[in-house]
Amino acid sequence: KAGVTQTPRYLIKTRGQQVTLSCSPISGHRSVSWYQQTPGQGLQFLFEYFSETQRNKGNFPGRFSGRQFSNSRSEMNVSTLELGDSALYLCASSDWTGDTQYFGPGTRLTVL
Amino acid sequence: AQKVTQAQTEISVVEKEDVTLDCVYETRDTTYYLFWYKQPPSGELVFLIRRNSFDEQNEISGRYSWNFQKSTSSFNFTITASQVVDSAVYFCALSEAGNYGQNFVFGPGTRLSVLP
Repeated sequence: KAGVTQTPRYLIKTRGQQVTLSCSPISGHRSVSWYQQTPGQGLQFLFEYFSETQRNKGNFPGRFSGRQFSNSRSEMNVSTLELGDSALYLCASSDWTGDTQYFGPGTRLTVL
Repeated sequence: AQKVTQAQTEISVVEKEDVTLDCVYETRDTTYYLFWYKQPPSGELVFLIRRNSFDEQNEISGRYSWNFQKSTSSFNFTITASQVVDSAVYFCALSEAGNYGQNFVFGPGTRLSVLP
C-alpha cells in the first residue's frame, strides 16, 4: 500500500499571501489530520477530518482552514501568511478505528 | 487535559550502547493509547509502536523494547545495541481512545545521536 503523500514538499511564500497544501491518505483511510511542527512549539494539532467533516480542531486562528473531499484527499489553506507560519506541515491518516496515525513526509513552508 | 513530557532533550551515545528514552504522560481518561514515533532527518514521522491503556505487557521487538507502567504514568522506550541509523528525533504521543475525532498530543521529542 502506498503511504501518505503530501504536495508540494517545499514552498516559499511572502507575507500576506495564501497557500494551499494537499494530502492524499493511505488507501482506505478516511480520517486525515494536520499538524504544524516548529522548533519552538513542537508538534501541534491543527484539525482532523473524517468523511468530509471536520471533527476536531486545535487552537489555531481562523486563517488556518481545511477541507476533505469525497475521495478522502484533504487540503489545508493558510491565508494572509505571517512569518510565524513558517513550519513543517504534517498530514496523517488513519483507518475507521482511528487508533494509529500514519504520517506523510510533510510540506516545508517558508514565509519571507 | 492531556500532556506528554519527555525530559531528555538530547542524548548522545556511541554505537552499540543501549539507550532508554523516557516518556511521562498525564490524562484523566482510563482508556487511552500511547505511541512512539521516530522522525529521521528526512522529516517523516515513522510509527514505531502503540500500546493501549489496558495492555501493560512489555514487549521486545528486535532491538526495540518498551516499558509501560500505569502506576508511574510512564512509557519508556529502549534501543539495544544502538546503530548510527537510529539517529533521529523520537516522539512519545498520547491519544484518548473514544475521543470524538483524533487529537494526538505529542511530547517535545528527544534527539538521539548515535556516534560511530
